[in-house]
Amino acid sequence: AQSVSQHNHHVILSEAASLELGCNYSYGGTVNLFWYVQYPGQHLQLLLKYFSGDPLVKGIKGFEAEFIKSKFSFNLRKPSVQWSDTAEYFCAVNPRANFGNEKLTFGTGTRLTIIP
Amino acid sequence: SAVISQKPSRDICQRGTSLTIQCQVDSQVTMMFWYRQQPGQSLTLIATANQGSEATYESGFVIDKFPISRPNLTFSTLTVSNLSPEDSSIYLCSVYRGNTQYFGPGTRLTVL
Repeated sequence: AQSVSQHNHHVILSEAASLELGCNYSYGGTVNLFWYVQYPGQHLQLLLKYFSGDPLVKGIKGFEAEFIKSKFSFNLRKPSVQWSDTAEYFCAVNPRANFGNEKLTFGTGTRLTIIP
Repeated sequence: SAVISQKPSRDICQRGTSLTIQCQVDSQVTMMFWYRQQPGQSLTLIATANQGSEATYESGFVIDKFPISRPNLTFSTLTVSNLSPEDSSIYLCSVYRGNTQYFGPGTRLTVL
């Protein structure tokens, strides 16, 4: 079975700092990769996703993520964070072999706190 | 995209009782998913619900504890039975559409 690791449990940054949140997965085959965000009091929203092609994907609100197959990683980045980026961030994977049963395996999440 | 609503948004229940959570989607979907998010933890898939067939449960989850109904292609219910404090969690409904999984707002359950 696949698994997802997010090594940073809580990250605290000042506004305008650069952000990188780590995500590593464990699975021998091809995967689809996702980052979701959960703002305080709101439901999960998709930030970005990777299925194939350019390993650098851009999402909403200035976020991007890079898929490095050799490292089984899909790290989330943003060059300059804002106070409104304070949220919980979840990495998730879905083995492409699961087509027709697209259940996701989530990482434990990273809480991001931005200090004004 | 998909618009998903859940009822109730939150509830406080007594030990030994049950809670049924409803999930409504804005248009038809083949599969609906139920996840649990325990305090301070990530999301864990409980089961996958297909219309017209029994739900498929993940390891560690059983139908007697989490019965699911899927009467049509836009609606599903999850019941959490014989509640204990360990069932205090957020329960989320989700659907898969256009290569993306969309989530409902969640139901926050507190068991006393």
